[in-house]
Amino acid sequence: RKEVEQDPGPFNVPEGATVAFNCTYSNSASQSFFWYRQDCRKEPKLLMSVYSSGNEDGRFTAQLNRASQYISLLIRDSKLSDSATYLCVVNPRGNQFYFGTGTSLTVIP
Amino acid sequence: GAVVSQHPSRVICKSGTSVKIECRSLDFQATTMFWYRQFPKQSLMLMATSNEGSKATYEQGVEKDKFLINHASLTLSTLTVTSAHPEDSSFYICSAPPGAYETEAFFGQGTRLTVV
Repeated sequence: RKEVEQDPGPFNVPEGATVAFNCTYSNSASQSFFWYRQDCRKEPKLLMSVYSSGNEDGRFTAQLNRASQYISLLIRDSKLSDSATYLCVVNPRGNQFYFGTGTSLTVIP
Repeated sequence: GAVVSQHPSRVICKSGTSVKIECRSLDFQATTMFWYRQFPKQSLMLMATSNEGSKATYEQGVEKDKFLINHASLTLSTLTVTSAHPEDSSFYICSAPPGAYETEAFFGQGTRLTVV
C-alpha cells in the first residue's frame, strides 16, 4: 500500500467555485502533514501545514482526521491563479517526506 | 528561510553521456539531502538519500551504479546520471529536510533532463 494516496483529478472548476481535495495516509504514527503547490515544471512550494485542530489561511482551509487517516484541503472562491497541482505530503518519521501523486486543478474563467 | 540552490535547471545530453546535477544549501548545513525524480503527470518519487561523509541510501529499484550520489561537504550534494538513456529523461529535484526550528522541507529549483 502506498504511504500517501491522493486523487489525481483533474479538477476543472469555474472561477469563484469551492473545491476540496482529500488525501489518505497509511502510517498511523505520522506526525506532520502538509499541502504543497507545484506549478508546471517548477519545484513544489509549501502552501500550508496541516494541524490537528485544522487551520485556515485566507481562502484555504486544511483539516486533519487522524482517526480516518486523511487530510483535506478546501479552496474557496477559486481564482485563475490557483490552477496548479496540489501535493499532499506526510512526514511519517524523522526527516523523511512522502508525497501523494498530486491533484491537478484548473480554474476556468 | 533556508534556500537550496540546484543547477543546472535544464540540460539536454546525448544518450550514453553522463550528467551531474548539483544541489547546494546556501545558508545552512545539510547533513542529509533527498533526491527525487518526477515523470510527467506523476508525483515526486524518492530515489535516494545522501548523507554527508557516508554512502547514500537508495530506494528499492534505483540503480546505485547508474545514479551516483556524492555528499562531500555539508553544503553540497551531487547526483550524477551515468550513461544516460532516453528513459532517464525526467525532472530531478533535491530537497533538504527541515532543521531544528523549521517544519517544512526545502526544495531546489529542479533539473529537467532530456536525453536524446
